[in-house]
Amino acid sequence: DAGITQSPRHKVTETGTPVTLRCHQTENHRYMYWYRQDPGHGLRLIHYSYGVKDTDKGEVSDGYSVSRSKTEDFLLTLESATSSQTSVYFCAISEWEGGGQPQHFGDGTRLSIL
Amino acid sequence: QKEVEQNSGPLSVPEGAIASLNCTYSDRVSQSFFWYRQYSGKSPELIMSIYSNGDKEDGRFTAQLNKASQYVSLLIRDSQPSDSATYLCAVIQGAQKLVFGQGTRLTINP
Repeated sequence: DAGITQSPRHKVTETGTPVTLRCHQTENHRYMYWYRQDPGHGLRLIHYSYGVKDTDKGEVSDGYSVSRSKTEDFLLTLESATSSQTSVYFCAISEWEGGGQPQHFGDGTRLSIL
Repeated sequence: QKEVEQNSGPLSVPEGAIASLNCTYSDRVSQSFFWYRQYSGKSPELIMSIYSNGDKEDGRFTAQLNKASQYVSLLIRDSQPSDSATYLCAVIQGAQKLVFGQGTRLTINP
């Protein structure tokens, strides 16, 4: 298994509270990604990082921010959580070897916003 | 038109038969294609990668790619109940960004 750890694995919180999800990798891979997965929508990219302090938006980035201060850690923050952000969040990593490398996923975080 | 399209199923196949899963994509310049398997409540797991036209075999799995038709398929031979899962087709677009289809739910009936 790829060395990816997501924390927490489950979280229940209230609308309007800040939430931070952490993704930690031991593979020293350059690329890291955050996805959300919802019924009827599949996996959708929120943000991704292509190096320390280098990040970019995905297709559903509104309401989310990210930070990557170390190669191994990629944080996803919901500044003020809303019920629409209830979802399962997956972190993924990939290496860059001329492009075309697959992504490997962490076990996911199930987040419920009440 | 969605960037990556799959039949959502459910697809029901008897044990021991061949399961055939299909995917079409819209970006003609895509070069890298993947199949992931996702069990209920679990994360996606990479099972096949394919980059060139033709067939690629790995055990009971065969991936087929036809870039002219913008079509990728996955065949599972001798289907087992443990193959029951959702299968996600994914295509790399741009700089290492994967675009996923919505997945096909496969059920293998004993």
